[in-house]
Amino acid sequence: QVQLVQSGAEVKKPGSSVKVSCKASGGPFRSYSINWLRQAPGQGLEWMGGLIPMLGTPNYAQKFQGRVTITADELSNTAYMELTGLGSEDTAVYYCARGGTLMVCDHWGQGTLVTVSP
Amino acid sequence: DIQMTQSPSSLSASVGDRVTITCRASQSISTYLNWHQQKPGNAPKPLIYAASSLQSGVPSRFSGSGSGTDFTLTITSLQPEDFATYYCQQSYSMPPTFGGGTKVEIK
Repeated sequence: QVQLVQSGAEVKKPGSSVKVSCKASGGPFRSYSINWLRQAPGQGLEWMGGLIPMLGTPNYAQKFQGRVTITADELSNTAYMELTGLGSEDTAVYYCARGGTLMVCDHWGQGTLVTVSP
Repeated sequence: DIQMTQSPSSLSASVGDRVTITCRASQSISTYLNWHQQKPGNAPKPLIYAASSLQSGVPSRFSGSGSGTDFTLTITSLQPEDFATYYCQQSYSMPPTFGGGTKVEIK
């Protein structure tokens, strides 16, 4: 059974960075996509980017180009999402999700709340 | 980017009702359409992929249909555990995009 476990909630200052982890278990890691999405309070879902570990090269939504970095460590079956230049608009729950392709989300992590506050 | 538009944005229904949610894409996406269910405080749960295929473990009262630009999610005989927000999502072209959600509330 596939399980994605994310790191805990974070409180960050404006202008700082955050790095969220997503540890996968219960299935292959390197051949499936890991997508990162976010959901601002009371809002809908927004895809930020993703990668397939065995291919290596991540894809990013244009909105986040230059601010987001997605990586994966095949030794620990863990994916990471780092977002820099945080502003109040980045306060959201961040999710990782696994799928057969970059655009598919068949299994979701539990979410990580990132709060940006002075 | 492909825009996904859901309607209605919210609805009130009673247990046992038949509920239909529609999703329209701004361009043809064939059947690359997925539905997710989200309950407050929880991560989304995948319900349907490829427009009409149920994810493993999803009750048969859920069904999806459509192709091209117009899609529907139908819940026959709404159950108490079905009160949630439903999102459509296209996986036809990058970036994947979601509809704004339909909140199904208890009447």
